[in-house]
Amino acid sequence: AQTVTQSQPEMSVQEAETVTLSCTYDTSESDYYLFWYKQPPSRQMILVIRQEAYKQQNATENRFSVNFQKAAKSFSLKISDSQLGDAAMYFCAYRSAAPLTRQLTFGSGTQLTVLP
Amino acid sequence: EPEVTQTPSHQVTQMGQEVILRCVPISNHLYFYWYRQILGQKVEFLVSFYNNEISEKSEIFDDQFSVERPDGSNFTLKIRSTKLEDSAMYFCASSNTEAFFGQGTRLTVV
Repeated sequence: AQTVTQSQPEMSVQEAETVTLSCTYDTSESDYYLFWYKQPPSRQMILVIRQEAYKQQNATENRFSVNFQKAAKSFSLKISDSQLGDAAMYFCAYRSAAPLTRQLTFGSGTQLTVLP
Repeated sequence: EPEVTQTPSHQVTQMGQEVILRCVPISNHLYFYWYRQILGQKVEFLVSFYNNEISEKSEIFDDQFSVERPDGSNFTLKIRSTKLEDSAMYFCASSNTEAFFGQGTRLTVV
């Protein structure tokens, strides 16, 4: 079974600065997807960014980018120019690429505080 | 922008009662899911649904739970004989490639 580990329960960053959230995972599969989801106080789960394991290029979405290290099974999220609205719980998630195996396995989350 | 819609946003029920949580997935999505999040804990997978049948389920999804797609738009989660420990946020999601989540239903069992 796959596992996802987020070792930083809490992080803080100054507004306009850059922060990196860590995520590691364990799998025996070679093809899979990785995601970062954001959960603000409203508790809705919002997709931030996605990475396909077969792609060497790191995904980027505006101020959000990832550092995907497949051999190390590491998938960190970098938030540049942090804004107050980025404050939320961030979850890393894994999904197999196997047919009909689409459940997401989540990490325990990192609570990000943005300081004005 | 299309979105997943869940109703109600908050449900309070007495222990032992049955509840039905409702979801309208994104219309062209083929896969539907239910997840739950007990307060302060990680999001846990319950069940996935594809082609009008359950495709995967976790050990949490026991005989107390059932899912149904009664028509072309709704996707429901029924919890029979609710227990205090069923109190959680329940999320519906739908996908083709990446999963999009609804805003959740907060279930409180008293």
